[in-house]
Amino acid sequence: GAGVSQSPSNKVTEKGKDVELRCDPISGHTALYWYRQSLGQGLEFLIYFQGNSAPDKSGLPSDRFSAERTGGSVSTLTIQRTQQEDSAVYLCASSLGVPRGSPLHFGNGTRLTVT
Amino acid sequence: AQKVTQAQTEISVVEKEDVTLDCVYETRDTTYYLFWYKQPPSGELVFLIRRNSFDEQNEISGRYSWNFQKSTSSFNFTITASQVVDSAVYFCALSEVGNAGNMLTFGGGTRLMVKP
Repeated sequence: GAGVSQSPSNKVTEKGKDVELRCDPISGHTALYWYRQSLGQGLEFLIYFQGNSAPDKSGLPSDRFSAERTGGSVSTLTIQRTQQEDSAVYLCASSLGVPRGSPLHFGNGTRLTVT
Repeated sequence: AQKVTQAQTEISVVEKEDVTLDCVYETRDTTYYLFWYKQPPSGELVFLIRRNSFDEQNEISGRYSWNFQKSTSSFNFTITASQVVDSAVYFCALSEVGNAGNMLTFGGGTRLMVKP
């Protein structure tokens, strides 16, 4: 079946502009995660959605970052007033909500470049 | 706090050599899960294996094998007779039951270069 789909694959934006990144999870996966991978660094957890529950936003680096998930499916990560340090690959993943330990399945990511 | 350490940032081998990628983790939980992911140059993270903390049996899948040792908090990954297609960044990851869902904490990754 179809995997996790992310768009756009690449985004170049000017400092100070807002950007929206989209993620379409695997059908039937109730859990959705956003991660950030900066150049030469590991993967940093940003936010987690499970079904219709309130999201876990503990990984968001600042209040310029927000995300929503509509209808328990598609998610949008929004970065307001982008800064150069926001340049990274933003990865979305989905998984079954249960059982525990279900593997995360990742999309190809959105490469964000802030100039 | 949970933590995953991959001390080898980069490894270079010649095709057909065996190579072991090290992973050491820290957790206070007794129930947890360990994973390995492969990230080829295309960028997508590919799930390779999952182990739970109660199953220390080693696993072999073709040229890949994994050695899980709770006594040393390690979950090492060996590729036998490496091939150029194995060139990628490999990530070890940990999921604790108390996490947000199945959220993973990743190690810094090991870049493996297999030369012909």
